[in-house]
Amino acid sequence: AQSVTQLGSHVSVSEGALVLLRCNYSSSVPPYLFWYVQYPNQGLQLLLKYTSAATLVKGINGFEAEFKKSETSFHLTKPSAHMSDAAEYFCAVRSYGNNRLAFGKGNQVVVIP
Amino acid sequence: GAVVSQHPSRVICKSGTSVKIECRSLDFQATTMFWYRQFPKKSLMLMATSNEGSKATYEQGVEKDKFLINHASLTLSTLTVTSAHPEDSSFYICSASGQDSYNEQFFGPGTRLTVL
Repeated sequence: AQSVTQLGSHVSVSEGALVLLRCNYSSSVPPYLFWYVQYPNQGLQLLLKYTSAATLVKGINGFEAEFKKSETSFHLTKPSAHMSDAAEYFCAVRSYGNNRLAFGKGNQVVVIP
Repeated sequence: GAVVSQHPSRVICKSGTSVKIECRSLDFQATTMFWYRQFPKKSLMLMATSNEGSKATYEQGVEKDKFLINHASLTLSTLTVTSAHPEDSSFYICSASGQDSYNEQFFGPGTRLTVL
């Protein structure tokens, strides 16, 4: 079984401050991990993915995430928030050999000027 | 990068009618397509997985006779909501994956269905 936990449905961050979104996963086999961003009334855009190569993954728009097996975590960070970062962010896991994604509940990020 | 389109982007229909939503992979062959449903302020719920040329696999609790899925070619899958009712109003998103090593899913822009 595979599952994802994202705590804190709403996250407020000041413009220029650090963005930190937490993601913990459960998987019985090595996982592939993803972060997606969704803007209102749009589909999902891939921010970054972990596929068993480097544990620190850099993505688009200045985001990065670090895979920590001992903590079963894949937290997303961005050093300096921009107004355009306001969106919904989803963490997802797919176990090796399984083509189905399991999504977390999402984090609604609000950027305060 | 891989592009997935959905049509229509928005549809309003009367209760009792059927609505068809198309999902196309524009620049790659999609061996598997997925259909999700998203309620307001909620996460994505996988409805079904379809492989080209075979019957779709529905998730528990999803009525296969209500949500008909056809994956007739490697670039097209359709979701038909039959005899739609207001409770079927939702945002429907498809995704497609090809034959790359990681079976990455590429998402369409979504279809907003409103049933009056």
